[in-house]
Amino acid sequence: AQSVTQPDIHITVSEGASLELRCNYSYGATPYLFWYVQSPGQGLQLLLKYFSGDTLVQGIKGFEAEFKRSQSSFNLRKPSVHWSDAAEYFCAVRSGGYNKLIFGAGTRLAVHP
Amino acid sequence: EPEVTQTPSHQVTQMGQEVILRCVPISNHLYFYWYRQILGQKVEFLVSFYNNEISEKSEIFDDQFSVERPDGSNFTLKIRSTKLEDSAMYFCASSEARAPNQPQHFGDGTRLSIL
Repeated sequence: AQSVTQPDIHITVSEGASLELRCNYSYGATPYLFWYVQSPGQGLQLLLKYFSGDTLVQGIKGFEAEFKRSQSSFNLRKPSVHWSDAAEYFCAVRSGGYNKLIFGAGTRLAVHP
Repeated sequence: EPEVTQTPSHQVTQMGQEVILRCVPISNHLYFYWYRQILGQKVEFLVSFYNNEISEKSEIFDDQFSVERPDGSNFTLKIRSTKLEDSAMYFCASSEARAPNQPQHFGDGTRLSIL
């Protein structure tokens, strides 16, 4: 069965530091992968997506993610974190003919000034 | 930018009562979804809906749940007889097409509290 694992429940970084959030997936075919962000009291906002082609994808707010088939990973990165990036981040894989999303448990990011 | 709108933002209901959660998807979208997130747990798929019928549903989506598109703009989730374990954040999402490169756009959610 398809699944998504986000090993880090909670990460704290200092403002201006680099960030990498880990995501591993289990999927039999070519995965369609997404990262969403959820700020407190808000819905899920799409940061970026991967379907095919270039394995390094750029998203909004300065985020990027790299797809590594050999490691079944799709890690999210940002070179310099801003205080406004504090939120919960969800990795997801599309599954099935009607595109339901299977989500990881999320990583809560805290940013220290 | 068009948004998915959900009402109410918070719903408090007595156990055993019926509740209807409402969503207005993005206007040109054709595929609609409900997800839920129990506090501290993963976001879980409930149901997808297309062309006025359910296209896929999860094990969670039992006979107590139903969805409807009563008019051209609203998409509703009804829970017939609520249980304590139905307390969760419920998210509505929509996408323009079925193709996998069409992302799902989410609303801000309805927090459902069952007393």
